[in-house]
Amino acid sequence: AQSVTQLGSHVSVSEGALVLLRCNYSSSVPPYLFWYVQYPNQGLQLLLKYTTGATLVKGINGFEAEFKKSETSFHLTKPSAHMSDAAEYFCAVTNSNSNSGYALNFGKGTSLLVTP
Amino acid sequence: NAGVTQTPKFRVLKTGQSMTLLCAQDMNHEYMYWYRQDPGMGLRLIHYSVGEGTTAKGEVPDGYNVSRLKKQNFLLGLESAAPSQTSVYFCATRQGLGEQYFGPGTRLTVT
Repeated sequence: AQSVTQLGSHVSVSEGALVLLRCNYSSSVPPYLFWYVQYPNQGLQLLLKYTTGATLVKGINGFEAEFKKSETSFHLTKPSAHMSDAAEYFCAVTNSNSNSGYALNFGKGTSLLVTP
Repeated sequence: NAGVTQTPKFRVLKTGQSMTLLCAQDMNHEYMYWYRQDPGMGLRLIHYSVGEGTTAKGEVPDGYNVSRLKKQNFLLGLESAAPSQTSVYFCATRQGLGEQYFGPGTRLTVT
């Protein structure tokens, strides 16, 4: 079975500062990894995904994440935080051996607060 | 294209009442999922379907039933609602190993 752990349920950064949201995964086979963002009272929107190929993936709104197999990590970063980045962020994993229809296993989420 | 839609958006039930949540998609995706989201718990899989006429249990299926009579619709039923089922319910679809597309959610309160 695969799972993800998001370190830090709440992260606070100043506007313009680096955003770093941490995600570590557990999977017995090569994982497919995703970051989703959820704005208040809305559904989930895909930020970026890693399936195969290049380990540094770029997503929407200036976010990127790097798949590091040796560290079993898929941390999300953005060089300069915007007030509009304040939201809940979820890391999720699945893999090609999934026995649940490739359903995603989600982390518990990290709430990002951006202060002026 | 509407994508993934959910009906209703909000609902308040009394303990013991029943209801059905409807998820509809116009993307012709094979896979459909129902998740529930609770504070500090992330999203947890309730049931899923890999195609028309098929359903399977996820991580937290107790108290819920589902049906997928048509490819575009995935229904989630609560036979006898309990306060523990107060949650936000999300439907999602997927094609192959691609990303999942989420509906806007249904906020359910059981009193």
